[in-house]
Amino acid sequence: AQKVTQAQTEISVVEKEDVTLDCVYETRDTTYYLFWYKQPPSGELVFLIRRNSFDEQNEISGRYSWNFQKSTSSFNFTITASQVVDSAVYFCALNNNNDMRFGAGTRLTVKP
Amino acid sequence: DAGVTQSPTHLIKTRGQQVTLRCSPKSGHDTVSWYQQALGQGPQFIFQYYEEEERQRGNFPDRFSGHQFPNYSSELNVNALLLGDSALYLCASSLPGVNEQFFGPGTRLTVL
Repeated sequence: AQKVTQAQTEISVVEKEDVTLDCVYETRDTTYYLFWYKQPPSGELVFLIRRNSFDEQNEISGRYSWNFQKSTSSFNFTITASQVVDSAVYFCALNNNNDMRFGAGTRLTVKP
Repeated sequence: DAGVTQSPTHLIKTRGQQVTLRCSPKSGHDTVSWYQQALGQGPQFIFQYYEEEERQRGNFPDRFSGHQFPNYSSELNVNALLLGDSALYLCASSLPGVNEQFFGPGTRLTVL
């Protein structure tokens, strides 16, 4: 069975702090994809990144970075120098053969 | 280039009624997936349509049914509504064989 766990329900930081959102997944498959989505109050899920199971190279995109570690089945997301506009719910998801599983989400609040 | 669109934005129904939600995929996409997102939870996969057929289904009862039209747009039908069906219903589109899904803004269904 596939499962995604985001243990952090809510995180609150002050602007300019760095913050890491944790994601742990379970799957018996060797081929799968991992995602991070951002959901602002408007409700639409915004795609942030996709990673396939064979690519463990970490990625940086501006203030965002992702750390994929197969050995610990984790795909963590770090926001550097957080901004108020980063406030949203962030979801980690696992997809294999069109079976897309989302974690419960982490609500990030960035205070000015 | 229009993204994924959904209608209506909001909907209020009473228990036992039936509802139809609509989705138009992103231009060039022919695969449509539907998700239910209850308050405070991550999206749950309902089913996916490709070539006008249901290709995969999550753990939802038969009260949830769908349809895909030749222009790739899709409908989600829910019969005999229950209070627990109150949720944000998200539609996502993708290209076949590509795991990246683009989400619409969702339809918020309230069942009274």
